[in-house]
Amino acid sequence: DARVTQTPRHKVTEMGQEVTMRCQPILGHNTVFWYRQTMMQGLELLAYFRNRAPLDDSGMPKDRFSAEMPDATLATLKIQPSEPRDSAVYFCASGRGPGELFFGEGSRLTVL
Amino acid sequence: KQEVTQIPAALSVPEGENLVLNCSFTDSAIYNLQWFRQDPGKGLTSLLLIQSSQREQTSGRLNASLDKSSGRSTLYIAASQPGDSATYLCAVNYGQNFVFGPGTRLSVLP
Repeated sequence: DARVTQTPRHKVTEMGQEVTMRCQPILGHNTVFWYRQTMMQGLELLAYFRNRAPLDDSGMPKDRFSAEMPDATLATLKIQPSEPRDSAVYFCASGRGPGELFFGEGSRLTVL
Repeated sequence: KQEVTQIPAALSVPEGENLVLNCSFTDSAIYNLQWFRQDPGKGLTSLLLIQSSQREQTSGRLNASLDKSSGRSTLYIAASQPGDSATYLCAVNYGQNFVFGPGTRLSVLP
């Protein structure tokens, strides 16, 4: 049963700490998205990769957020330093080209 | 600007009713449109994908239609059940990115 896998599922940290979230896309998918979901803003696109190359990270605060794909089986989203306003659920999604999108279960981040 | 809206924001119906959820988008130059379901504390589950060349897609009790020219899609749920209670989101794919609507929160009462 192919699925997008995200770790950690939950993370509580203190302001100023570094947070790294990981995503394993579905094997064979060549597009990977990072989204952030909050009650107030809904789903916001943070970054988008195609064939491991970043195509759009305009939604990401560049001073503290970074996204990478070290290889085709791993995407990472890093926040350094974290702030309370970063508290949200972060979703990774993958797809094949402009086709159907599949989401992971999300990483719930709480920054105290 | 590419925007997606969904009406209603919330809906409560008795079990067994047929219902329609609406999705509107401002830019009709789409690749496809996808409907998702999200249960509390969970990720998004894909329900239906409609390509820009298609008019509708069906899966079980779900039927999604697409009218690109008017910028609208509807999700029809037949014979609703309490297990259908969730938030339903539509996402419009413009090739480089998906733009999501805010969702419709559905409650089906036993």
